[in-house]
Amino acid sequence: DGGITQSPKYLFRKEGQNVTLSCEQNLNHDAMYWYRQDPGQGLRLIYYSQIVNDFQKGDIAEGYSVSREKKESFPLTVTSAQKNPTAFYLCASSKQGRGDYEQYFGPGTRLTVT
Amino acid sequence: QKEVEQNSGPLSVPEGAIASLNCTYSDRGSQSFFWYRQYSGKSPELIMSIYSNGDKEDGRFTAQLNKASQYVSLLIRDSQPSDSATYLCAVAKSGTYKYIFGTGTRLKVLA
Repeated sequence: DGGITQSPKYLFRKEGQNVTLSCEQNLNHDAMYWYRQDPGQGLRLIYYSQIVNDFQKGDIAEGYSVSREKKESFPLTVTSAQKNPTAFYLCASSKQGRGDYEQYFGPGTRLTVT
Repeated sequence: QKEVEQNSGPLSVPEGAIASLNCTYSDRGSQSFFWYRQYSGKSPELIMSIYSNGDKEDGRFTAQLNKASQYVSLLIRDSQPSDSATYLCAVAKSGTYKYIFGTGTRLKVLA
């Protein structure tokens, strides 16, 4: 089955700790994205990558970092510099990083930082 | 002005009725538009994409696009209680690789 997997589904961390969220896809998509969703708000773009070994900051990249060493994988690290990290994190991919391609989402990781 | 605007709802319709969800966008150069359904606590699921003016039908769903009015809508025919969810409109921002999402319209289908 082709799809996008994110792990873990739920993650709990203490303030001051870095945490890495996993995102893997087997759709052979070139482009991958990370979004954050807060209650009552739309999806906000954190980082995106159009191709392996290349990525760009989205609208709210501060306090986050990513890597794209393999086409299938796009992990997101939430660092201690992120002021309000508690949120629902969504990974997505599309065939190419152009707007005329449909974007598909993984199941998400709900991060709680206390 | 938000780049993509949707009425937050809730929009309540009786079972079997047509639900009409609307979305307006500000980027006149946008060419690609998408509707997603999101159940509470779950991730968005793509329903339809539309790229040309007019209607596009897929089963009970019809997407309508009017680029001159910068308006895209989603009609759900024969609404079912299982259609109760938040519907997100997304627009691919011209000249970039970004997709801009609205905050969603919550639909309630009453049995």
